[in-house]
Amino acid sequence: DIQMTQSPSSLSASVGDRVTITCRASQSISNYLNWYQQKPGKAPQLLIYSASSLRSGVPSRFSGSASGTDFTLTISSLQPEDFATYYCQQSYSTPPTFGGGTKVEIK
Amino acid sequence: EVQLLESGGGLVQPGGSLRLSCAASGFTFSSFAMSWVRQAPGKGLEWVSFLSGSGSGTYYADSVKGRFTISRDNFKNTVFLQMNSLRAEDTAVYYCAKTALVVTARFDDWGQGTLVTVSS
Repeated sequence: DIQMTQSPSSLSASVGDRVTITCRASQSISNYLNWYQQKPGKAPQLLIYSASSLRSGVPSRFSGSASGTDFTLTISSLQPEDFATYYCQQSYSTPPTFGGGTKVEIK
Repeated sequence: EVQLLESGGGLVQPGGSLRLSCAASGFTFSSFAMSWVRQAPGKGLEWVSFLSGSGSGTYYADSVKGRFTISRDNFKNTVFLQMNSLRAEDTAVYYCAKTALVVTARFDDWGQGTLVTVSS
């Protein structure tokens, strides 16, 4: 199985900050990397697919990038509604696997 | 608008069985794969199973293989998860998800989840 390692596991940031979350795959997954946002008590929502494609309706402050087996989710200017837990997921091989999550908290 | 509504969760004793349902609307159900993903209390996301739009292809996580069965009724726009021989470690919120098969599964839309608690 492909292991997905996210870092950090949590971070504290202020409104307006630039936030970067990293996800590393244990082997090559091409660009088959997706990012989800989950707010407390709610279901996850797909934000970004294929490493860098923004899902329709997702604010443009969210972006994704890839370099080899390293993937990055960036929030350019953190907004109050962005405080949540973020998960990466590879859709390159079965079983599909998730990273452990990054909780973004208010500083 | 895609809507997914899970039901069937509850409290069950170890070794017991439970059948989850997920009613879908807002898209052509038979054209899409469907998945179940679970989340243990305070933990991360774990894929459980998915099946193709026709229902002919099914896949399971090793942790549930031989105990859980996924199926669908394309006339009733519903996907099911039959869970047998339940264990304490199966305790989780179970989400159904509309799934895009891009090599393997990508979870495009999610239901609100149903809680399964396995305890004596």
